[in-house]
Amino acid sequence: DTGVSQDPRHKITKRGQNVTFRCDPISEHNRLYWYRQTLGQGPEFLTYFQNEAQLEKSRLLSDRFSAERPKGSFSTLEIQRTEQGDSAMYLCASSPRGLDGNTIYFGEGSWLTVV
Amino acid sequence: GESVGLHLPTLSVQEGDNSIINCAYSNSASDYFIWYKQESGKGPQFIIDIRSNMDKRQGQRVTVLLNKTVKHLSLQIAATQPGDSAVYFCAENFRGGGADGLTFGKGTHLIIQP
Repeated sequence: DTGVSQDPRHKITKRGQNVTFRCDPISEHNRLYWYRQTLGQGPEFLTYFQNEAQLEKSRLLSDRFSAERPKGSFSTLEIQRTEQGDSAMYLCASSPRGLDGNTIYFGEGSWLTVV
Repeated sequence: GESVGLHLPTLSVQEGDNSIINCAYSNSASDYFIWYKQESGKGPQFIIDIRSNMDKRQGQRVTVLLNKTVKHLSLQIAATQPGDSAVYFCAENFRGGGADGLTFGKGTHLIIQP
């Protein structure tokens, strides 16, 4: 499978705990995105990397959220001191260079439930 | 308000019929549009895209139409099958607006009835 891979697929955590999600993009895709999706809504942009540089962050990304892509390949999204409002599916996506650079391919998502 | 939206939240069609899912966008500077299909519990799956210099693009059983005059996008699915049941999202990208990825609408739930 050469698609975008996310881990874990499901995570249940108690309020106040920290969680970390990992994303492995499609090989050689230099752009990596994190989105959040709640039930009945479309995905909402959180942040974006080009190689290892984090180029943009949405205002949805509070101080409790941090994303990294240290070697320009996989990325992690950490949520500290989780709140019930953080319950959502966290989607990772990647896109290639070149003329098709705007075509964004999504992973299967990581479901977070904060109890 | 939202930059991208959909006219109907739910669309029910008979198996074998054609379906049309509509989308309105408000950013006239958007130059790239994508339709995604999302099945329950899964991530969005790319279906078809279209750039603003085109009016129509066809794929396998799917056609996307873009009307820039009225800022309207539609997805036509021919001969619908049970596997087409899903939520369909349109999304837009404004390349000159920076690297913020795509803006999604709320989605249309397509239900295929036997």
